[in-house]
Amino acid sequence: GDSVTQMEGPVTLSEEAFLTINCTYTATGYPSLFWYVQYPGEGLQLLLKATKADDKGSNKGFEATYRKETTSFHLEKGSVQVSDSAVYFCALMFRDDYKLSFGAGTTVTVRA
Amino acid sequence: NAGVMQNPRHLVRRRGQEARLRCSPMKGHSHVYWYRQLPEEGLKFMVYLQKENIIDESGMPKERFSAEFPKEGPSILRIQQVVRGDSAAYFCASSPGGGDQPQHFGDGTRLSIL
Repeated sequence: GDSVTQMEGPVTLSEEAFLTINCTYTATGYPSLFWYVQYPGEGLQLLLKATKADDKGSNKGFEATYRKETTSFHLEKGSVQVSDSAVYFCALMFRDDYKLSFGAGTTVTVRA
Repeated sequence: NAGVMQNPRHLVRRRGQEARLRCSPMKGHSHVYWYRQLPEEGLKFMVYLQKENIIDESGMPKERFSAEFPKEGPSILRIQQVVRGDSAAYFCASSPGGGDQPQHFGDGTRLSIL
């Protein structure tokens, strides 16, 4: 079945460090890919998305590129802030479907 | 705030009691989805509803769980005779239409079973 595998956490970084969270997927076909962020005590917010191969999603300094050849959608940010501390979820959904399939989430803590 | 509203934020129940979780979708959204997040896991799809219709409940446990989205009022996820394993965060999302339209999530209800 379709699935998403994320880099296990927790990840602890210092402010201004570079962040990468790996995400790979297994799916028949070409799904849309998403990164959601969950701040403490809150629901999930859509961070960015990409709908086809080589698309790059970006938002708030975060980027991820849809790589069909490696079935990956790694999340990157060049200089993290304390406010980026959250749980990050990679997810996929097929066109004309409605079920989001999520990875297990990666907890990121940024220290001042 | 016109976001997805869930209540209560925290719910504590004893084993055997009933739990009712409510979700009011964003204004203009007629599609509601429920997901469950078990500790240390990602969210898992439970059920997809439109007004007065259950479209897909393939992710719902066959027993004790039910969901509705009446013509008036919020969507309700109901868990009867709760057990310890029902302890989780339950998230509701809504979208203006079906298909792959973006889903907007509420802050969740954290259910604890004593």
